[in-house]
Amino acid sequence: AQSVTQLDSHVSVSEGTPVLLRCNYSSSYSPSLFWYVQHPNKGLQLLLKYTSAATLVKGINGFEAEFKKSETSFHLTKPSAHMSDAAEYFCVVSDITDSWGKLQFGAGTQVVVTP
Amino acid sequence: EPEVTQTPSHQVTQMGQEVILRCVPISNHLYFYWYRQILGQKVEFLVSFYNNEISEKSEIFDDQFSVERPDGSNFTLKIRSTKLEDSAMYFCASRGRGQIPNSPLHFGNGTRLTVT
Repeated sequence: AQSVTQLDSHVSVSEGTPVLLRCNYSSSYSPSLFWYVQHPNKGLQLLLKYTSAATLVKGINGFEAEFKKSETSFHLTKPSAHMSDAAEYFCVVSDITDSWGKLQFGAGTQVVVTP
Repeated sequence: EPEVTQTPSHQVTQMGQEVILRCVPISNHLYFYWYRQILGQKVEFLVSFYNNEISEKSEIFDDQFSVERPDGSNFTLKIRSTKLEDSAMYFCASRGRGQIPNSPLHFGNGTRLTVT
């Protein structure tokens, strides 16, 4: 069975500084990995996905993530935080053992951006 | 861009009452899902639905829960007799024809269910 661990429950950054959200995964097979974002009172929006192509994945709003198989990690980064990045971020894994595409969510990282 | 829409955004109900949460998935999608998130906990899978039947369900999805796609556009989650512990945010999601698991799920904004 697959799982994800998000290493930080809360991250606080200053506007204009880099953001790093850490995620480690566990999967017996080649995983598909996703980052979703949830703004207050909004749904879960897909930021980016890794599906065994390029290991560096670019997403929306300037975010990117790097798949590192040797470290079983899929950390999310952004060079310069914006106030609108304040939200909760979820690292999500799926693999071929889930015939119907069930996703396993991490516990989430709450990002606070200060002026 | 097409969206998954959920209604209502917030539902308050008394313990023991039946509740129906409604979702309109993206129109050409084939796979449908319900997830829930109890306050302070992880987002959990409840059920997946394909070709007018349940394809997979979690241990949470007991006899009190049911899903239906009554008219080819709506996708509903019914809880027959709500308990306090059913209070959560419920998310509907859908997926198109792309290869599982590579194609992402598209989520709605959620329905916050409060059982009193």
